Amino acid sequence: GQNIDQPTEMTATEGAIVQINCTYQTSGFNGLFWYQQHAGEAPTFLSYNVLDGLEEKGRFSSFLSRSKGYSYLLLKELQMKDSASYLCAVRDLNTGNQFYFGTGTSLTVIP
Amino acid sequence: DGGITQSPKYLFRKEGQNVTLSCEQNLNHDAMYWYRQDPGQGLRLIYYSQIVNDFQKGDIAEGYSVSREKKESFPLTVTSAQKNPTAFYLCASSIEGFSGANVLTFGAGSRLTVL
Repeated sequence: GQNIDQPTEMTATEGAIVQINCTYQTSGFNGLFWYQQHAGEAPTFLSYNVLDGLEEKGRFSSFLSRSKGYSYLLLKELQMKDSASYLCAVRDLNTGNQFYFGTGTSLTVIP
Repeated sequence: DGGITQSPKYLFRKEGQNVTLSCEQNLNHDAMYWYRQDPGQGLRLIYYSQIVNDFQKGDIAEGYSVSREKKESFPLTVTSAQKNPTAFYLCASSIEGFSGANVLTFGAGSRLTVL
């Protein structure tokens, strides 16, 4: 099966940096995705990692360590609009490349 | 603009009634998916379709049905057999099913409440 764990809630200050962690257990790992979801809206794609290392996209970066079953999403220069839920998802080869989602981390950015 | 349109955004249903949620995409994506989102749980896959006139059950298909008569459309029917249908339903699409680095593009969701 797939066990995807991420913190339920986090709070950070505007202008600061926040790191959202995600751990997973899957035998057929085939990529890890991060999505942002504002309340009542569609999740939107942020980043994709399939090899170890850091992927940077503007204020957002994502890191993957396949040996540790670990990823993090790093948000820099936080803005109020970054308040949202951040979903970690893993794709599993052994189940036809289905996506499995964590419960999401609700981030609140405070002034 | 290309995207996925779900309707209705909010829907109320009495117990024992079937309801159908619409999902239309103009992205020319081959694959379409239905997920259910409940508080405190991750998105769970209900059904998916990788090609017209074909679809497969996901992890929680019981009490749901789908059809894929056109590439653009993948409606979901929540039947009276679904024991706990109140949830937020998300439709998604991708270029070629689950392979490669395909990113899921989501619709805005439909919130179903059973009274």
